[in-house]
Amino acid sequence: QVQLVESGGGAVQPGRSLRLSCVASGFSFSVYPMHWVRQAPGKGLEWVARLSHDGTSAQYPDSVKGRFTISRDNSKNTLYLQMNSLRPDDTAVYYCTRDSISWSIDYWGQGTLVTVSS
Amino acid sequence: DVVMTQSPLSLPVTLGQPASISCRSSQSPVSADGNTYLNWFQQRPGQSPRRLIYEVSRRDSGVPDRFSGSGSGTDFTLKISRVEAEDVGVYYCMQSIHWPWTFGQGTKVEIK
Repeated sequence: QVQLVESGGGAVQPGRSLRLSCVASGFSFSVYPMHWVRQAPGKGLEWVARLSHDGTSAQYPDSVKGRFTISRDNSKNTLYLQMNSLRPDDTAVYYCTRDSISWSIDYWGQGTLVTVSS
Repeated sequence: DVVMTQSPLSLPVTLGQPASISCRSSQSPVSADGNTYLNWFQQRPGQSPRRLIYEVSRRDSGVPDRFSGSGSGTDFTLKISRVEAEDVGVYYCMQSIHWPWTFGQGTKVEIK
């Protein structure tokens, strides 16, 4: 079955960097685009980034563009999110999600919590 | 950005009774191929979201048939024909055709 396991979250000071990882299993990782979606504590869902199956094309919302970079290593079935210049409003649970190939998100990981605070 | 507006934001329901959630988009999520990329997700307390419905009305495998999606243009609805205790949680709509993809604010379904 499809499994997405995130790691790398934790507490970090404003302005610092953090890299999240997501190990995928149970499907052909290299075929699927992948996304990151976040949820601030007690708040709703916010789409953060999408990466094509081959890693050549990425999309971001303005809230993270220029600070976050999504990447992947298909040989390791792993998705990454490099987060730089972190701000307190980046505090959230970050979910690794799979694109359904038909312009949707079909599977979600359990999430990893990032807390940005001084 | 496309704004997704859900109503109501809180929905107390009686077990066994129907429930309906509305989602309105500021731009139609219809693509050039004619498909409408409107999704519904359920997030139970303490869990990750789970997709229920995609392309307005296509139900995911394993989703009970008491859940149904409908709508067109900019107005969409998720209906639960008879609410069960396991349906408690927050429901989100999401458009997935215009960048950035955007979610509604969420509708919290609880049992009266």
